[in-house]
Amino acid sequence: EAEVAQSPRYKITEKSQAVAFWCDPISGHATLYWYRQILGQGPELLVQFQDESVVDDSQLPKDRFSAERLKGVDSTLKIQPAELGDSAMYLCASSLGQASYNEQFFGPGTRLTVL
Amino acid sequence: DAKTTQPTSMDCAEGRAANLPCNHSTISGNEYVYWYRQIHSQGPQYIIHGLKNNETNEMASLIITEDRKSSTLILPHATLRDTAVYYCIVRVISGGSYIPTFGRGTSLIVHP
Repeated sequence: EAEVAQSPRYKITEKSQAVAFWCDPISGHATLYWYRQILGQGPELLVQFQDESVVDDSQLPKDRFSAERLKGVDSTLKIQPAELGDSAMYLCASSLGQASYNEQFFGPGTRLTVL
Repeated sequence: DAKTTQPTSMDCAEGRAANLPCNHSTISGNEYVYWYRQIHSQGPQYIIHGLKNNETNEMASLIITEDRKSSTLILPHATLRDTAVYYCIVRVISGGSYIPTFGRGTSLIVHP
């Protein structure tokens, strides 16, 4: 069964350092999502791509976060510099398309700890 | 500004039906309601989704009220492995695009 792949699974870094997360969606899925989930809360959408284009990044802290999906397949989310408050689970999901009837499939997530 | 409202926690006896409610009174007419669950430290797992009609799959049933303002996820025979946080999700319009929005979910504990 096809799955969304994410790496690394765990990342520990010191504040002010740069970190990057990678996501490989299910083959053929045009829509890709990055979420942040703080402990005890539901996932919060950071950025949504349709192919290589950003559909929504209104919740992405653009002073330190960036995301790209250059060839419309895999994607990278970067934080520079990391802050203590960035400690969270970063989840990637993909779906066939943007339509409401397309379910999202989530990867296992990257657990980030900023010291 | 919660778009969905769910009880914070519920519990259920193993083998019994678990009925998890969700209020989504501001849902748009053509937006689906989705349910996911998340077991500790894992990514959310898709369960079921629906628009107007009730839906059933191998995992659960989804009952949507006629006015579409609320829904109930039913796990017909809960097992200990169904202990998880259950999220009811609808998409909301933001900056011209519809984006999926999670609430805090319902923590379901299934006990022996």
